[in-house]
Amino acid sequence: GAVVSQHPSWVICKSGTSVKIECRSLDFQATTMFWYRQFPKQSLMLMATSNEGSKATYEQGVEKDKFLINHASLTLSTLTVTSAHPEDSSFYICSARDASGASYEQYFGPGTRLTVT
Amino acid sequence: QQQVKQSPQSLIVQKGGISIINCAYENTAFDYFPWYQQFPGKGPALLIAIRPDVSEKKEGRFTISFNKSAKQFSLHIMDSQPGDSATYFCAASGSYNFNKFYFGSGTKLNVKP
Repeated sequence: GAVVSQHPSWVICKSGTSVKIECRSLDFQATTMFWYRQFPKQSLMLMATSNEGSKATYEQGVEKDKFLINHASLTLSTLTVTSAHPEDSSFYICSARDASGASYEQYFGPGTRLTVT
Repeated sequence: QQQVKQSPQSLIVQKGGISIINCAYENTAFDYFPWYQQFPGKGPALLIAIRPDVSEKKEGRFTISFNKSAKQFSLHIMDSQPGDSATYFCAASGSYNFNKFYFGSGTKLNVKP
């Protein structure tokens, strides 16, 4: 149980275009989902926290107009990287918390590798 | 300020040996301490987690030792196997904001056959 999927697993896009990444909780409902960014050989950096039906809360230094997050349902959150540039190339990982319990636990997706050319 | 400090950065262990990774934290309000395993190109997967009301938790070959007074916790991997070769992250969170996980910098473990 507690499976989180991401789509696509990897994507290559041209500079200036936008790309959308989906995060789904497959076997549980998630009122809260999280988006992380990870550079090679580095730790996870929280970008934003999203709650179903409300605006995302962005961490300091993360451009909310560049990284659009939509948490439209209890099983789906999307991250759209707008006007992508090569410096946005990174590994993006989502996670979700099970709405049914009081657990702190976050279940992570497999990640999406974004390459901007 | 780094909330969770992890060491070592990398670790080489012979097959069958014990791998030990350490983390230290500053915020005494933290009350949840998970460990994650991450293989290249994959997302982190929860290995084991501990709350401060116990000093040790064991699940299979993985054990967390927790020292509340020293504000330290460690992961022990017994009988390490080549398949354990991965990057390990410790993390900490607190009930005052359980949406926020503070991650350590990671330890790359290489288990030699």
